[in-house]
Amino acid sequence: GESVGLHLPTLSVQEGDNSIINCAYSNSASDYFIWYKQESGKGPQFIIDIRSNMDKRQGQRVTVLLNKTVKHLSLQIAATQPGDSAVYFCAERYQGGKLIFGQGTELSVKP
Amino acid sequence: GAVVSQHPSWVICKSGTSVKIECRSLDFQATTMFWYRQFPKQSLMLMATSNEGSKATYEQGVEKDKFLINHASLTLSTLTVTSAHPEDSSFYICSARVSSLKAYEQYFGPGTRLTVT
Repeated sequence: GESVGLHLPTLSVQEGDNSIINCAYSNSASDYFIWYKQESGKGPQFIIDIRSNMDKRQGQRVTVLLNKTVKHLSLQIAATQPGDSAVYFCAERYQGGKLIFGQGTELSVKP
Repeated sequence: GAVVSQHPSWVICKSGTSVKIECRSLDFQATTMFWYRQFPKQSLMLMATSNEGSKATYEQGVEKDKFLINHASLTLSTLTVTSAHPEDSSFYICSARVSSLKAYEQYFGPGTRLTVT
């Protein structure tokens, strides 16, 4: 389930299931969006990106969907594995290239 | 390729002292570097943008006299936390941007954990 507030929202899934992580971005002028994975004590790791002129992009086991009408991004992870457990952030680029990060979601994969 | 390093990876300092964190692009030249701060269970907050050879641009609410940023070369940016206090304890992450004809690509360092006692 998910919880919001001062703590990171959490998503708990069973190994092998698909995961969907959602993100609302703030600026309609943003032209580029990225999903990052961050493991404890490490820097963000690039997963997949999408430009504002697209609505879907697929990578290996991951898919990003962009809905500009409601300023919403989602990251879908197929066949989630324990190694996918981490915090996931979306980021939007605007104002000359600054990357602004969203709230983040903690994904926990149960074996 | 496109590796960004930070040094130190963690540091403990006493309240009132200053600490310097280095960010290096190891195999590319970065015209722009960014500094972020991250508190536990929170997102990355952009502190400042620094361009090589010019003054950094700070985000609203970030004290420029407290967080001194120097971007003296295309491969090195430093963040100095002056007169550190316990509330400055955080995870500091830098990123470096490649400026190319194709697209802007931004790479992140591994972060520096600062603890002020």
